[in-house]
Amino acid sequence: DSGVTQTPKHLITATGQRVTLRCSPRSGDLSVYWYQQSLDQGLQFLIQYYNGEERAKGNILERFSAQQFPDLHSELNLSSLELGDSALYFCASSPLSSGLPGELFFGEGSRLTVL
Amino acid sequence: GQQLNQSPQSMFIQEGEDVSMNCTSSSIFNTWLWYKQDPGEGPVLLIALYKAGELTSNGRLTAQFGITRKDSFLNISASIPSDVGIYFCAGQRGGSNYKLTFGKGTLLTVNP
Repeated sequence: DSGVTQTPKHLITATGQRVTLRCSPRSGDLSVYWYQQSLDQGLQFLIQYYNGEERAKGNILERFSAQQFPDLHSELNLSSLELGDSALYFCASSPLSSGLPGELFFGEGSRLTVL
Repeated sequence: GQQLNQSPQSMFIQEGEDVSMNCTSSSIFNTWLWYKQDPGEGPVLLIALYKAGELTSNGRLTAQFGITRKDSFLNISASIPSDVGIYFCAGQRGGSNYKLTFGKGTLLTVNP
């Protein structure tokens, strides 16, 4: 158990819909990362937040947005969903200020299926 | 997009055999990491490498940070069935955001 909690574990929805994925980082971790994992693209970095502020952005579509709340949990919002958005979405956390570089702790992921 | 080339894509071996996989990049990374993902789980860190030329072991796992900082390899000795999973290399360029770039993974199957 990494200590990172993601909900929901599975989600099935239709094209054009909007979903929200939720992540609670490990206790004390200030940094949250979102990754998308698909069969053909592997693990793709989407976005990072540190203590409520956006820190880095990857290949995140304009239809996607995220935020980190004062209690440090994070939400990833996916809108106008397309079939190609079907993937595993991982949240990871790290202490950032005290942890070693690269020590990201991943949740179990949210599997999104768009029909 | 992906900038790390990881090979092989998959391996099917007999229990007890040694395994080697590697990762190359066209650009330099300051940190190399190896993660393992079990079915239905998120990736878990196995080994982290912080200096060019560094060789680090974690039990039956050994990884090296290439001298050019553009490659890394992971060896698993005397494989066992629980080694089954997907192994990912990841690189970090440095700076404060700790963003990782991942390879596409090596799927390892161990035949008992």
